[in-house]
Amino acid sequence: GAGVSQSPRYKVAKRGQDVALRCDPISGHVSLFWYQQALGQGPEFLTYFQNEAQLDKSGLPSDRFFAERPEGSVSTLKIQRTQQEDSAVYLCASSRVGGLGPQHFGDGTRLSIL
Amino acid sequence: AQTVTQSQPEMSVQEAETVTLSCTYDTSESNYYLFWYKQPPSRQMILVIRQEAYKQQNATENRFSVNFQKAAKSFSLKISDSQLGDTAMYFCAFMNLPATGANSKLTFGKGITLSVRP
Repeated sequence: GAGVSQSPRYKVAKRGQDVALRCDPISGHVSLFWYQQALGQGPEFLTYFQNEAQLDKSGLPSDRFFAERPEGSVSTLKIQRTQQEDSAVYLCASSRVGGLGPQHFGDGTRLSIL
Repeated sequence: AQTVTQSQPEMSVQEAETVTLSCTYDTSESNYYLFWYKQPPSRQMILVIRQEAYKQQNATENRFSVNFQKAAKSFSLKISDSQLGDTAMYFCAFMNLPATGANSKLTFGKGITLSVRP
C-alpha cells in the first residue's frame, strides 16, 4: 500500500490477556519504529528495527512487551498479561535508512484493557 | 537525554489569521533535526515541517514556517492564513542524528490542541 498500515484499528482485551498488534510499513522502508501514546500525551518511543534487527528496545516498559520483525517487513508488537496501564494508542512509523527521511506514521491501534 | 517542552496546552485562532505555536528543547547534541507533526482526530501523525540544526535558514512549507533559534533552543511554528482543516493537535519533536547516520527515535513534546474558528 501507499502508507503504513496498522491492524487492528481498535482492540479491547480483558486484563491478563495477551494481544498482538500488527504493522505493515511502506514498501522499501528499512527502519521501523513503535511508539506508545497515552491519552492527551505525545507519543513515546518503544523500539526500533533496521530490517529484521532490533537495534533499540530501550523504551519497552517491561518484559511483558515484545516486538519482532522476522523478515524485515511486517512487524508485530506483542503484549503479554495485559494491565490497565497498557491502554493507549500504539503507533508504528517507518522511514528510509540514513536518518534523512522523515518517519511516516500509521493510523495506530487503540488498545483498551478492561 | 533530550527533552521537548510545549507549555501551551491549547490555542484558538480565527480563520484566515496567523498563529504561532511555541516549543523549546534541551539537548547536548550538535547534530539533530526538529519537526512539527500534526495529528487530527483521525490519529494519523502527519509531518508538517522539518528543520536541520546545521541550517541557519528557517524552513518554510507553504503556509507553515518555523522560527529556529538554536542558541535559545527554541523552535516555534507559525501558521499563516489559518484554515478550518488546520484544527488538530500539533507536536514538536526532536531527533538526534548519530554519527553512524542510522535512523533515530523521535522525542515528542506533550502537544498543543489548536482550534481554528470559522
